[in-house]
Amino acid sequence: KQEVTQIPAALSVPEGENLVLNCSFTDSAIYNLQWFRQDPGKGLTSLLLIQSSQREQTSGRLNASLDKSSGRSTLYIAASQPGDSATYLCAVSNAGGTSYGKLTFGQGTILTVHP
Amino acid sequence: DTEVTQTPKHLVMGMTNKKSLKCEQHMGHRAMYWYKQKAKKPPELMFVYSYEKLSINESVPSRFSPECPNSSLLNLHLHALQPEDSALYLCASSQLTSYEQYFGPGTRLTVT
Repeated sequence: KQEVTQIPAALSVPEGENLVLNCSFTDSAIYNLQWFRQDPGKGLTSLLLIQSSQREQTSGRLNASLDKSSGRSTLYIAASQPGDSATYLCAVSNAGGTSYGKLTFGQGTILTVHP
Repeated sequence: DTEVTQTPKHLVMGMTNKKSLKCEQHMGHRAMYWYKQKAKKPPELMFVYSYEKLSINESVPSRFSPECPNSSLLNLHLHALQPEDSALYLCASSQLTSYEQYFGPGTRLTVT
C-alpha cells in the first residue's frame, strides 16, 4: 500500500527566502506525482505534475524534482512571498489497472511567509 | 479553460433530507472524481468515473450515490447523512492519459 509523507508539517519563513518542501513515498512504481496548493476552505490548485519518466518540472518560481528510485520529490520555491502562504500537498498516482487515477496524498506542509 | 465548477458552494441539510451536489467540467476530460476532505486532513478519494462508468468505489456508504449522466457532469446524491459526513466535498477531473487532476472549489456540507 502506497504511503506518502511530507516534511516539514509546518514552515514559517520571512519573505524573500528560498525554501524546500519534501515528499517521500514508499512504492516507487508510480505513474506520476502532483504538487498542489490549497488555501483555507478552498479547492486544490495544481502546481506541477511530474510524470514517472521525468526528473523535474518548472513553473515560474517553482521547481519540482523527482527521484523515483529513492522515493522522493522536492518542491523548491524561490524568493518566497506572503501570497505563497498556503498548505502544499504532494500526491502520487500508482501505475497499473485502476490505480492510475487514484491519488495518494501526503498530510501536507503548512507554509507561512511573513512580511 | 481549466475550470471545474461545483454547486452549491455551501449546503446545510438535516439527517432526513435528500440533496445533490453537482460538478461540471468542459475540458473534455473523461475521468471524474469525488473526494471528501475533513478539516486539517488531505482529501480522501470516494469515487472515480472513467468514460461515464464507475471504475472505483472506495467502500463508500450507500447514503452517498454518485451519478455521471454525461462526460461533462458528475453528481453526488446524498440521503440520510450523519453529522460526521460534514466536510468539504471536492470534485476533480483529468484526461485518461496524463491523469493530471484539476479540482473544483468544493461544496462545504454541514449535516445537522
